Amino acid sequence: GAGVSQSPSNKVTEKGKDVELRCDPISGHTALYWYRQSLGQGLEFLIYFQGNSAPDKSGLPSDRFSAERTGGSVSTLTIQRTQQEDSAVYLCASSLAGDSYGYTFGSGTRLTVV
Amino acid sequence: AQSVSQHNHHVILSEAASLELGCNYSYGGTVNLFWYVQYPGQHLQLLLKYFSGDPLVKGIKGFEAEFIKSKFSFNLRKPSVQWSDTAEYFCAVTRRGNTPLVFGKGTRLSVIA
Repeated sequence: GAGVSQSPSNKVTEKGKDVELRCDPISGHTALYWYRQSLGQGLEFLIYFQGNSAPDKSGLPSDRFSAERTGGSVSTLTIQRTQQEDSAVYLCASSLAGDSYGYTFGSGTRLTVV
Repeated sequence: AQSVSQHNHHVILSEAASLELGCNYSYGGTVNLFWYVQYPGQHLQLLLKYFSGDPLVKGIKGFEAEFIKSKFSFNLRKPSVQWSDTAEYFCAVTRRGNTPLVFGKGTRLSVIA
Protein backbone atom coordinates (compact mmCIF):
# COMPACT_ATOMS: atom_id res chain seq x y z
CA GLY A 1 0.00 0.00 0.00
CA ALA A 2 0.90 3.66 -0.04
CA GLY A 3 1.84 3.79 3.61
CA VAL A 4 2.06 1.76 6.79
CA SER A 5 -1.42 0.91 7.97
CA GLN A 6 -2.27 0.14 11.58
CA SER A 7 -5.51 -1.06 13.10
CA PRO A 8 -7.39 -0.33 15.17
CA SER A 9 -6.54 3.34 15.56
CA ASN A 10 -7.95 3.33 19.08
CA LYS A 11 -8.53 0.47 21.50
CA VAL A 12 -10.00 0.61 24.96
CA THR A 13 -9.78 -2.61 26.90
CA GLU A 14 -10.35 -3.81 30.42
CA LYS A 15 -7.43 -4.75 32.59
CA GLY A 16 -6.65 -8.43 32.23
CA LYS A 17 -7.99 -8.79 28.69
CA ASP A 18 -5.83 -9.72 25.70
CA VAL A 19 -5.46 -7.36 22.74
CA GLU A 20 -4.14 -7.72 19.21
CA LEU A 21 -2.76 -4.83 17.23
CA ARG A 22 -2.22 -5.11 13.51
CA CYS A 23 0.35 -3.58 11.18
CA ASP A 24 0.35 -3.73 7.40
CA PRO A 25 3.72 -2.47 6.13
CA ILE A 26 4.58 -0.90 2.82
CA SER A 27 4.74 -3.50 0.10
CA GLY A 28 8.31 -4.56 -0.53
CA HIS A 29 9.64 -3.40 2.81
CA THR A 30 11.39 -6.36 4.40
CA ALA A 31 12.02 -4.80 7.79
CA LEU A 32 9.21 -4.17 10.28
CA TYR A 33 9.47 -2.57 13.72
CA TRP A 34 7.18 -2.10 16.69
CA TYR A 35 7.66 0.79 19.10
CA ARG A 36 5.71 2.07 22.06
CA GLN A 37 5.24 5.78 22.62
CA SER A 38 4.31 6.96 26.08
CA LEU A 39 3.86 10.56 27.16
CA GLY A 40 7.25 12.07 27.94
CA GLN A 41 9.06 8.79 27.29
CA GLY A 42 9.80 9.02 23.61
CA LEU A 43 9.73 5.87 21.53
CA GLU A 44 10.59 2.57 23.17
CA PHE A 45 11.73 -0.22 20.85
CA LEU A 46 9.77 -3.45 21.23
CA ILE A 47 10.56 -5.90 18.42
CA TYR A 48 12.10 -6.01 14.94
CA PHE A 49 11.53 -8.36 12.01
CA GLN A 50 13.94 -8.57 9.08
CA GLY A 51 13.05 -10.85 6.23
CA ASN A 52 13.12 -14.50 7.24
CA SER A 53 15.56 -13.97 10.11
CA ALA A 54 14.61 -14.63 13.71
CA PRO A 55 13.05 -11.48 15.15
CA ASP A 56 14.93 -9.25 17.58
CA LYS A 57 12.70 -9.41 20.66
CA SER A 58 15.11 -7.62 22.97
CA GLY A 59 12.77 -4.71 23.62
CA LEU A 60 9.69 -6.62 24.71
CA PRO A 61 8.99 -5.50 28.30
CA SER A 62 7.55 -8.79 29.53
CA ASP A 63 6.44 -12.24 28.40
CA ARG A 64 2.90 -10.86 28.10
CA PHE A 65 4.03 -9.23 24.87
CA SER A 66 4.54 -11.18 21.67
CA ALA A 67 4.50 -10.48 17.97
CA GLU A 68 4.46 -12.40 14.76
CA ARG A 69 4.83 -11.56 11.12
CA THR A 70 3.07 -13.78 8.65
CA GLY A 71 4.39 -14.28 5.13
CA GLY A 72 6.89 -11.50 5.55
CA SER A 73 4.14 -8.91 5.46
CA VAL A 74 1.43 -8.24 8.04
CA SER A 75 2.43 -8.25 11.69
CA THR A 76 0.36 -8.67 14.84
CA LEU A 77 1.44 -7.48 18.27
CA THR A 78 -0.36 -9.31 21.07
CA ILE A 79 -0.52 -8.16 24.64
CA GLN A 80 -1.91 -10.71 27.06
CA ARG A 81 -3.50 -9.90 30.41
CA THR A 82 -3.23 -6.17 29.81
CA GLN A 83 -2.21 -3.88 32.63
CA GLN A 84 -2.80 -0.15 33.03
CA GLU A 85 0.88 0.55 32.43
CA ASP A 86 0.46 -0.92 28.95
CA SER A 87 -1.57 2.15 27.98
CA ALA A 88 0.38 3.92 25.23
CA VAL A 89 0.48 4.49 21.51
CA TYR A 90 1.88 1.48 19.71
CA LEU A 91 3.69 2.42 16.52
CA CYS A 92 4.67 0.22 13.63
CA ALA A 93 7.29 1.16 11.06
CA SER A 94 8.71 -0.50 8.00
CA SER A 95 11.78 0.05 5.88
CA LEU A 96 13.72 -1.36 3.01
CA ALA A 97 16.54 -3.64 4.03
CA GLY A 98 19.83 -2.01 4.89
CA ASP A 99 21.10 0.76 7.08
CA SER A 100 20.66 3.59 4.66
CA TYR A 101 16.92 3.94 4.84
CA GLY A 102 14.78 5.69 7.34
CA TYR A 103 11.61 4.18 8.63
CA THR A 104 8.09 4.91 7.48
CA PHE A 105 5.76 5.00 10.45
CA GLY A 106 2.10 4.22 10.69
CA SER A 107 -0.32 6.41 12.59
CA GLY A 108 -0.28 4.10 15.57
CA THR A 109 -2.82 2.37 17.79
CA ARG A 110 -3.74 4.23 20.95
CA LEU A 111 -4.30 1.59 23.62
CA THR A 112 -6.09 2.50 26.81
CA VAL A 113 -6.36 -0.07 29.56
CA VAL A 114 -9.08 0.72 32.09
CA ALA B 1 23.40 0.34 26.29
CA GLN B 2 23.15 2.84 23.52
CA SER B 3 21.20 5.96 24.46
CA VAL B 4 20.12 9.22 22.91
CA SER B 5 19.74 12.41 24.93
CA GLN B 6 17.66 15.37 23.90
CA HIS B 7 18.40 18.16 26.31
CA ASN B 8 15.34 20.30 25.81
CA HIS B 9 11.97 18.93 26.79
CA HIS B 10 9.94 21.92 25.62
CA VAL B 11 11.12 24.90 23.60
CA ILE B 12 8.98 27.98 23.01
CA LEU B 13 10.01 30.39 20.27
CA SER B 14 8.52 33.35 18.50
CA GLU B 15 8.11 33.21 14.74
CA ALA B 16 11.32 34.10 12.86
CA ALA B 17 13.51 33.11 15.80
CA SER B 18 16.38 30.71 15.19
CA LEU B 19 16.14 27.15 16.43
CA GLU B 20 18.70 24.71 17.71
CA LEU B 21 17.69 21.43 19.33
CA GLY B 22 20.38 19.40 20.97
CA CYS B 23 20.96 15.68 20.51
CA ASN B 24 23.75 13.57 21.94
CA TYR B 25 24.24 9.84 21.68
CA SER B 26 26.31 7.44 23.69
CA TYR B 27 27.52 4.89 21.17
CA GLY B 28 31.15 5.17 20.11
CA GLY B 29 31.11 3.23 16.87
CA THR B 30 29.91 4.14 13.41
CA VAL B 31 26.36 5.36 13.52
CA ASN B 32 23.54 6.53 11.31
CA LEU B 33 21.67 9.57 12.63
CA PHE B 34 18.14 10.78 12.06
CA TRP B 35 15.72 13.49 13.02
CA TYR B 36 12.00 12.76 12.89
CA VAL B 37 9.13 15.19 13.34
CA GLN B 38 5.63 14.55 14.58
CA TYR B 39 3.14 17.32 13.83
CA PRO B 40 0.04 17.47 16.02
CA GLY B 41 -2.27 14.60 15.17
CA GLN B 42 0.04 13.20 12.52
CA HIS B 43 2.43 10.29 12.29
CA LEU B 44 6.20 10.49 12.57
CA GLN B 45 7.96 11.74 9.48
CA LEU B 46 11.61 11.70 8.51
CA LEU B 47 13.12 15.20 8.57
CA LEU B 48 16.70 14.39 7.65
CA LYS B 49 19.38 11.73 7.99
CA TYR B 50 23.13 11.37 8.09
CA PHE B 51 25.13 8.30 7.08
CA SER B 52 28.49 9.56 5.89
CA GLY B 53 30.17 12.39 4.01
CA ASP B 54 29.44 16.06 4.62
CA PRO B 55 28.58 16.36 8.31
CA LEU B 56 26.17 19.20 7.57
CA VAL B 57 22.96 17.65 6.36
CA LYS B 58 20.05 19.52 4.86
CA GLY B 59 16.53 18.22 5.21
CA ILE B 60 13.03 19.27 4.35
CA LYS B 61 11.37 22.56 5.25
CA GLY B 62 14.65 24.42 5.75
CA PHE B 63 15.96 22.22 8.55
CA GLU B 64 19.58 21.17 8.81
CA ALA B 65 21.67 19.20 11.26
CA GLU B 66 25.36 18.98 11.93
CA PHE B 67 27.15 15.81 12.95
CA ILE B 68 30.09 16.51 15.26
CA LYS B 69 31.76 13.18 15.87
CA SER B 70 34.05 14.43 18.63
CA LYS B 71 31.05 15.63 20.60
CA PHE B 72 28.77 12.69 19.76
CA SER B 73 26.22 15.28 18.73
CA PHE B 74 23.72 15.77 15.94
CA ASN B 75 21.98 19.07 16.64
CA LEU B 76 19.02 20.23 14.58
CA ARG B 77 18.85 23.82 13.38
CA LYS B 78 16.61 26.17 11.47
CA PRO B 79 17.46 29.83 10.90
CA SER B 80 13.90 31.13 11.11
CA VAL B 81 11.01 29.11 12.50
CA GLN B 82 7.40 29.37 11.44
CA TRP B 83 4.21 28.70 13.33
CA SER B 84 3.79 25.55 11.23
CA ASP B 85 6.99 24.13 12.75
CA THR B 86 5.12 23.53 15.99
CA ALA B 87 5.64 19.81 16.54
CA GLU B 88 7.57 17.24 18.49
CA TYR B 89 11.07 16.46 17.27
CA PHE B 90 12.85 13.19 17.85
CA CYS B 91 16.51 12.41 17.37
CA ALA B 92 17.35 8.78 16.59
CA VAL B 93 20.50 6.73 16.19
CA THR B 94 21.32 3.32 14.85
CA ARG B 95 24.57 1.47 14.66
CA ARG B 96 25.67 0.14 11.31
CA GLY B 97 24.50 -3.39 10.84
CA ASN B 98 20.74 -3.20 10.68
CA THR B 99 20.02 -2.56 14.32
CA PRO B 100 16.80 -0.84 15.32
CA LEU B 101 16.67 2.91 15.77
CA VAL B 102 17.10 4.19 19.31
CA PHE B 103 15.10 7.34 19.90
CA GLY B 104 15.51 10.24 22.25
CA LYS B 105 12.58 11.30 24.41
CA GLY B 106 11.69 14.12 22.06
CA THR B 107 11.59 17.89 22.22
CA ARG B 108 8.30 19.71 21.92
CA LEU B 109 8.59 22.92 19.94
CA SER B 110 5.92 25.57 20.27
CA VAL B 111 6.16 28.51 17.89
CA ILE B 112 4.07 31.51 18.83
CA ALA B 113 3.07 34.37 16.59
